[in-house]
Amino acid sequence: EVQLVETGGGLVQPGKSLKLTCATSGFTFSNAWMHWVRQSPEKQLEWVAQIKAKSNNYATYYAESVKGRFTISRDDSKSSVYLQMNSLKEEDTAIYYCTLNFAYWGQGTLVTVSS
Amino acid sequence: DIQMTQSPASLSASLGETVTIECRASEDIYNGLAWYQQKPGKSPQLLIYNANSLHTGVPSRFSGSGSGTQYSLKINSLQSEDVASYFCQQYYNYPPWTFGGGTKLELK
Repeated sequence: EVQLVETGGGLVQPGKSLKLTCATSGFTFSNAWMHWVRQSPEKQLEWVAQIKAKSNNYATYYAESVKGRFTISRDDSKSSVYLQMNSLKEEDTAIYYCTLNFAYWGQGTLVTVSS
Repeated sequence: DIQMTQSPASLSASLGETVTIECRASEDIYNGLAWYQQKPGKSPQLLIYNANSLHTGVPSRFSGSGSGTQYSLKINSLQSEDVASYFCQQYYNYPPWTFGGGTKLELK
């Protein structure tokens, strides 16, 4: 059974950093292309970032709204994907989901950016 | 970027009724479209991909259709467990993958 579990969310001040973790199981993680998607308080879904597999040189892609501030990475030995979020803004407040090709989703972790 | 516009934003229907949700893309997406169901407090779940293919385990009362820029999700014989929000997503031209604004379906 595919499982994705996000952790690391919380309340953070504007300009600070936070790192999210998505621990996975139930599939061959090393071959998987993984995404982060976020959902705003207004319930709008927004794709955030993608990381491809080693065979694709771990290529990464980002939404314009987070480019230069967020970094997606992975550790195949731990079957985990990460999202390092720097210079956080209030508009980054959302539930952050990791997803395997949009077919399987974690339960999400809430990030609140507020002073 | 391809913009996805969903309608209606909210919908109220009775049990047993047939419901249709529309999604319009800003350009041709050649059936590169998925539909998701999201129940309150839960993560989105894939219902349909390639515009009309049912994901594993999805009840057959759900169906998708369309082509070009216009797509729709139909729910036949609405059940109480179908109360949820529904989102469309294009994956023809990416990145970015883009979502519609969602349709909130409630029981009348």
